[in-house]
Formats: sequence, structure tokens, C-alpha cells
Amino acid sequence: EPEVTQTPSHQVTQMGQEVILRCVPISNHLYFYWYRQILGQKVEFLVSFYNNEISEKSEIFDDQFSVERPDGSNFTLKIRSTKLEDSAMYFCASRTDRGEAFFGQGTRLTVV
Amino acid sequence: AQSVTQPDIHITVSEGASLELRCNYSYGATPYLFWYVQSPGQGLQLLLKYFSGDTLVQGIKGFEAEFKRSQSSFNLRKPSVHWSDAAEYFCAVGGSTGRRALTFGSGTRLQVQP
Repeated sequence: EPEVTQTPSHQVTQMGQEVILRCVPISNHLYFYWYRQILGQKVEFLVSFYNNEISEKSEIFDDQFSVERPDGSNFTLKIRSTKLEDSAMYFCASRTDRGEAFFGQGTRLTVV
Repeated sequence: AQSVTQPDIHITVSEGASLELRCNYSYGATPYLFWYVQSPGQGLQLLLKYFSGDTLVQGIKGFEAEFKRSQSSFNLRKPSVHWSDAAEYFCAVGGSTGRRALTFGSGTRLQVQP
């Protein structure tokens, strides 16, 4: 069964450092998303991506965040200068135009 | 704006008992509705979805949910809970196309007593 894969599963980084979280969406999907979940809290939408551009973003997705689909298979989330409050589980998801979203297993980001 | 309310933060049931998790949504058009389950430290697994048609939908692991447009609800049910069902359950709403991202409820943590 096709699945969304995310790497790494766990990343520890120092405050102020840049991190790149990687995702490989399901190959025939058209829409890609990043969500985050702070420990014990709800899943929050960050950004959606379609046709090589951002189609929607939340207020959380400020200038320190960026997304890219560099090579037609990977979908990355970059956090330019990490803060302690960026510590969370980050989920990538993809979907077809009228199907359900499939989620990856997540990357746990710990900022120290 | 779309939103999802899960009024029960935490529910405890005995193994073998029936379960109902509540979900109310707000959405300006025909909603797509989902239930996801998350075990500790794990990702989100889709339990079931409602797009259109029959308002009672069946999912995996013996779960079902009923869409009630008049009540803006999409409650999740299971007739007999197993200890392995202990997890966090999230209701989500989205649009019919991928342009609208999903909005999640705050989740309901299910504990199962032996």
C-alpha cells in the first residue's frame, strides 16, 4: 500500500539553527501539506502546496518557515532559525484532488 | 471559517462496553469528514471518512460514524471496545477538493479499563 514517508523520525537541534524536514508524498497525489502537533495538543495546519506553489497557509507559517518541492518527489519544510517553541511533531500529508489525506509517521523535532 | 469541536477531552470505558465519541463541525459548504486515530508517539491513521451518500459509514477496526447534517455532527461509535483501542481520536473536516486543508478537533483521549 502506498504511504507517505518522512525523514528523519527524530531531530534534535540547537536553538537558532536551521532544520529541514523531509517528506516523500504518495506519487500520484497533487496536494501536499505540513501540520504540526505540539506535545499533548491538537494537530495544527501549517501550509498546503499545489502546483509548485503555496495554496494556503496558517498564521503559524511565518517568515521563518518555507516549503519546497525540489525534485518532483520530495517535499521539504525548512525552519530557518529554530526556537524552543518549534519543538513539536511535524506531519506531512498528501492527497488526490477528491480523496482523503494520507499522513506520514511524523518527525519529532526537539529544539534545545 | 471551518472548525471542529470535540467536547470530550478524555473518556474512560470498560473493555467490551460500547463507545461514542462526539464531533461537531462548522463548514460553509458540503463537508468531507474524517476520523483519525493516533497511538502514543505515532502518526495519524485514518479510521473512516464521509464524502457523500449513505450517512452511516463503516471504517476499520469495527468503527462506524454517522453524519447528521441537521446537527452538524459526525460521531464515532464502536459497539464493543477492545483494550487496543486506547488512543487519541481526532475528528477532522475538509473540503471536497485538496485546496482546502483539513481542520482538526482537539482530540479525545480514550482509556480502556479491563
